[in-house]
Amino acid sequence: GDSVTQMEGPVTLSEEAFLTINCTYTATGYPSLFWYVQYPGEGLQLLLKATKADDKGSNKGFEATYRKETTSFHLEKGSVQVSDSAVYFCALTPNSGYALNFGKGTSLLVTP
Amino acid sequence: DVKVTQSSRYLVKRTGEKVFLECVQDMDHENMFWYRQDPGLGLRLIYFSYDVKMKEKGDIPEGYSVSREKKERFSLILESASTNQTSMYLCASSPGGIDGYTFGSGTRLTVV
Repeated sequence: GDSVTQMEGPVTLSEEAFLTINCTYTATGYPSLFWYVQYPGEGLQLLLKATKADDKGSNKGFEATYRKETTSFHLEKGSVQVSDSAVYFCALTPNSGYALNFGKGTSLLVTP
Repeated sequence: DVKVTQSSRYLVKRTGEKVFLECVQDMDHENMFWYRQDPGLGLRLIYFSYDVKMKEKGDIPEGYSVSREKKERFSLILESASTNQTSMYLCASSPGGIDGYTFGSGTRLTVV
């Protein structure tokens, strides 16, 4: 079945460092891909999405490109801030289904 | 903005109790979902509903049931709470697959 694999955390970075969180997927057809973020004590918020190959989703300085050839959707940010400390989830929805499949989440801690 | 409201942020219940977790959304979304979130396991889908009075089992439905009598409300029921159901429960709604979900803030349930 469809699934998402993302890198294990926790990831600890200094402020202004470059961030990459890897995400790869397995799916039949052409899924839509998402990154969600969960700040401490809160529910998940949609960060960005891409619905077809080569699409780039972006929001709040974060970017991810839908790469069909490598079945990847890696999350990047050029300069992280302390306020980016959160858990990040990669997810996909099959083109014929209702429910999102989530990765296990990657915890990010940014230190001053 | 779409709002998904979960009735309680924290709940403590005793083993064997029948527990109701309520979720209400205000944007006329067709689809609603219940997940549980546990450390190291990510989000796991319990049940979802794509229409009033319709429900579908997710990956871990055992010990749970759901009710959707009105479009805006989706209730998760623990028939006889057990300690292994101690978890964070997240409700979400969606108009359709490629638009992703809007999540509630979550209910942290402790069963003692």
